[in-house]
Amino acid sequence: QSALTQPASVSGSPGQSITISCTGTSSDVGGYNYVSWYQQHPDKVPKLMIYDVSKRPSGVSNRFSGSKSGNTASLTISGLQAEDEAHYYCCSYAGSSSFVLFGGGTKLTVL
Amino acid sequence: EVQLVESGGGLVKPGGSLRLSCAASGFTFSSYSMNWVRQAPGKGLKWVSSISSSNSYIYYADSVKGRFTISRDNAKNSLYLQMNSLGAEDAAVYYCARGTPGYCSGGSCLSYYMDVWGKGTTVTVSS
Repeated sequence: QSALTQPASVSGSPGQSITISCTGTSSDVGGYNYVSWYQQHPDKVPKLMIYDVSKRPSGVSNRFSGSKSGNTASLTISGLQAEDEAHYYCCSYAGSSSFVLFGGGTKLTVL
Repeated sequence: EVQLVESGGGLVKPGGSLRLSCAASGFTFSSYSMNWVRQAPGKGLKWVSSISSSNSYIYYADSVKGRFTISRDNAKNSLYLQMNSLGAEDAAVYYCARGTPGYCSGGSCLSYYMDVWGKGTTVTVSS
């Protein structure tokens, strides 16, 4: 059960768009359309931002979008805002033996 | 208000045991799968264990398999995590998280996503 691979950090200026990648294998990200993304602000609990690769829960801004190609999933945030500065974690179903795996997390800095 | 409140964390010696509890309120507990996720200080999220709404399906991370036991009491709206043979690597904030609704089949619900999280309970392992 190896963690999914995410960049340790990304940054962008207000108004710009950024993309965070999440690389797994054919046994997890590539094998199922069950990828999710969580946002965690410092000292706060995680918040579900994307599920089923690209769906947004009610109340999540449409500036957040998800996609997947092969073994890599991506989270794109458009129109960056200061409040988007947080850690982001991808998560994927990994079959009945492993159930779910999280990525190592990416710290987003809004410059 | 939908709420999850964890308890039972604390300081335990290496090799010791601890039982975490999660009290749910504001929703029909028996209709949702539940999860435990942990986060070591300054580190990322790590999935620990999941249980379907009717106890039919239970899953563990390899790192805790054979040492941790997840259970639930739908009559008491409560989720539990029995942790044995604790080591330094188990020190973390343990979050209780609800599975998203709508992933049900054959009377049992199991989701790969977590939409409501408790504030967590801290487990410290030290001699």
